[in-house]
Amino acid sequence: KAGVTQTPRYLIKTRGQQVTLSCSPISGHRSVSWYQQTPGQGLQFLFEYFSETQRNKGNFPGRFSGRQFSNSRSEMNVSTLELGDSALYLCASSLSSGSGEQYFGPGTRLTVT
Amino acid sequence: EDQVTQSPEALRLQEGESSSLNCSYTVSGLRGLFWYRQDPGKGPEFLFTLYSAGEEKEKERLKATLTKKESFLHITAPKPEDSATYLCAVQPPDSGYALNFGKGTSLLVTP
Repeated sequence: KAGVTQTPRYLIKTRGQQVTLSCSPISGHRSVSWYQQTPGQGLQFLFEYFSETQRNKGNFPGRFSGRQFSNSRSEMNVSTLELGDSALYLCASSLSSGSGEQYFGPGTRLTVT
Repeated sequence: EDQVTQSPEALRLQEGESSSLNCSYTVSGLRGLFWYRQDPGKGPEFLFTLYSAGEEKEKERLKATLTKKESFLHITAPKPEDSATYLCAVQPPDSGYALNFGKGTSLLVTP
């Protein structure tokens, strides 16, 4: 069974721009969660989508948004990029909403200059 | 206030030298405690779920245990391929059961 895939793997953007990251979950998984990982803050929860609905949201500004499509694929968007948004963005899928057993993709490394 | 604290931050072991990693938590009404392993350049890999005090789970050289305030990940006779960052996470009920991760323990096992 194919794992979680994320595209692109690496991205360099300029402050003020916006970016869209994509995630394809494991087949049959309907929940997709997004996380930001930085050396200082560790792994922090951004939001979770299940059946095209946002089920939960972490403590991040409104510049961070996402959506989920009918095939469970998900996208995450960050507008008006700031230098502090440089991080590894991880997507994880699971069978059900709120599950702690999640399967992570390799992440997208975003660098904001 | 951090709800999950992992110690030590880093640990270096000789191959075959057993040890334990600690994860302490302050969440009440714990829904579950989860252990993950993360290799450099990769996403975390799920290892174990523990639900109640006294519960234990094992996988190869790893054994996870849970008490009312902390969890331990015991590594028996580690091998260099066990080198990774081990992450602990809880699901606080007041956060909609989002995973709240600790900062991790970076383990290096040398031959």
